Amino acid sequence: DQQVKQNSPSLSVQEGRISILNCDYTNSMFDYFLWYKKYPAEGPTFLISISSIKDKNEDGRFTVFLNKSAKHLSLHIVPSQPGDSAVYFCAASANDYKLSFGAGTTVTVRA
Amino acid sequence: ETGVTQTPRHLVMGMTNKKSLKCEQHLGHNAMYWYKQSAKKPLELMFVYNFKEQTENNSVPSRFSPECPNSSHLFLHLHTLQPEDSALYLCASSQDSGYGQPQHFGDGTRLSIL
Repeated sequence: DQQVKQNSPSLSVQEGRISILNCDYTNSMFDYFLWYKKYPAEGPTFLISISSIKDKNEDGRFTVFLNKSAKHLSLHIVPSQPGDSAVYFCAASANDYKLSFGAGTTVTVRA
Repeated sequence: ETGVTQTPRHLVMGMTNKKSLKCEQHLGHNAMYWYKQSAKKPLELMFVYNFKEQTENNSVPSRFSPECPNSSHLFLHLHTLQPEDSALYLCASSQDSGYGQPQHFGDGTRLSIL
């Protein structure tokens, strides 16, 4: 039973434009959310996180938005750059270390 | 450059072989994890060690045997594996196993069972 879902397996965006990645979850006990980025032949790299007491967290070009009532979070990347082409994973935990991961969204940034 | 190093990067083995995967972290963390990623599936947590003590075994078959001799090293011993065990095995570490600790991953071992 997958508790974290990334319904878009892929996303293509023009360089310089905004990339919006979406993630939905079913477990209302989740209170900490993370985004990871993964290049081929490398492990996932931590990108940004947000706790449930916030609805927005920003770090440079990356912003994560959390909508608890909709059980939805999104990652905005602006402006998108060619180096952003990777697989992005959403993950969530419920007050402990156990992370539930989504299946990932492959982002391709076109020049 | 990752602070979590996994060896080997690729491993091909027969079902009757015994092999071990190694993970070493250089981040001063106290918690270490093993994950399995099968094709087109999300990462699945297998084992967790916190301060060298195993705190999680996520119903993993006994043909996978973890070992954590110290906070910097983690092993996954493999024996009599099945073809469905072919996957990417990822090691991760975090400061400890508490709330709100981002986990840092190694580059994984790609395991193929013949």
